[in-house]
Amino acid sequence: ELKVEQNPLFLSMQEGKNYTIYCNYSTTSDRLYWYRQDPGKSLESLFVLLSNGAVKQEGRLMASLDTKARLSTLHITAAVHDLSATYFCAVESDSNYQLIWGAGTKLIIKP
Amino acid sequence: DGGITQSPKYLFRKEGQNVTLSCEQNLNHDAMYWYRQDPGQGLRLIYYSQIVNDFQKGDIAEGYSVSREKKESFPLTVTSAQKNPTAFYLCASSPGPAGELFFGEGSRLTVL
Repeated sequence: ELKVEQNPLFLSMQEGKNYTIYCNYSTTSDRLYWYRQDPGKSLESLFVLLSNGAVKQEGRLMASLDTKARLSTLHITAAVHDLSATYFCAVESDSNYQLIWGAGTKLIIKP
Repeated sequence: DGGITQSPKYLFRKEGQNVTLSCEQNLNHDAMYWYRQDPGQGLRLIYYSQIVNDFQKGDIAEGYSVSREKKESFPLTVTSAQKNPTAFYLCASSPGPAGELFFGEGSRLTVL
């Protein structure tokens, strides 16, 4: 059974700092997705990672996928307050194509 | 504009009542999904449909029902059998059985 773990679950950091959110999963998969959720809002797609070694960047966020290690990272560079949100990773199951979701990482960036 | 429309945005229900949440998409996507999110929690799959007139139970289907009579529509009924229905409900779609999900704005259900 595919399980997805994110860590940390909560992260409070200062503006201008760098940090990384980790997403580990338990069985083979080549497809992983990152989403952002603002409080009380829906989910917005950030990155689609479809192969080993995939790296995507958008502004201060960069996501990567290592399918051999079953690990994806979401790196935040020089954080700004606007990036405060909850970030979810979701891994696509090879058996039934359904997404298995991590618990989310709540990120608070203080001015 | 293409997208997913959920209604109502907020809904209050008395215990014992059934309620139906609407989800309509004009993205021409084959697959549609319903998720439940409780405060501070992740997403849990209720039902999904990969094609018209077919749907499958997700992880927490008990107390819920769906239909998929049209490609663009996937309504969710929260029945009185659902013991703790207060939650944020999210509808999503994808072009096929796999791939990136696109979400609606969500419906917040409160049971009084």
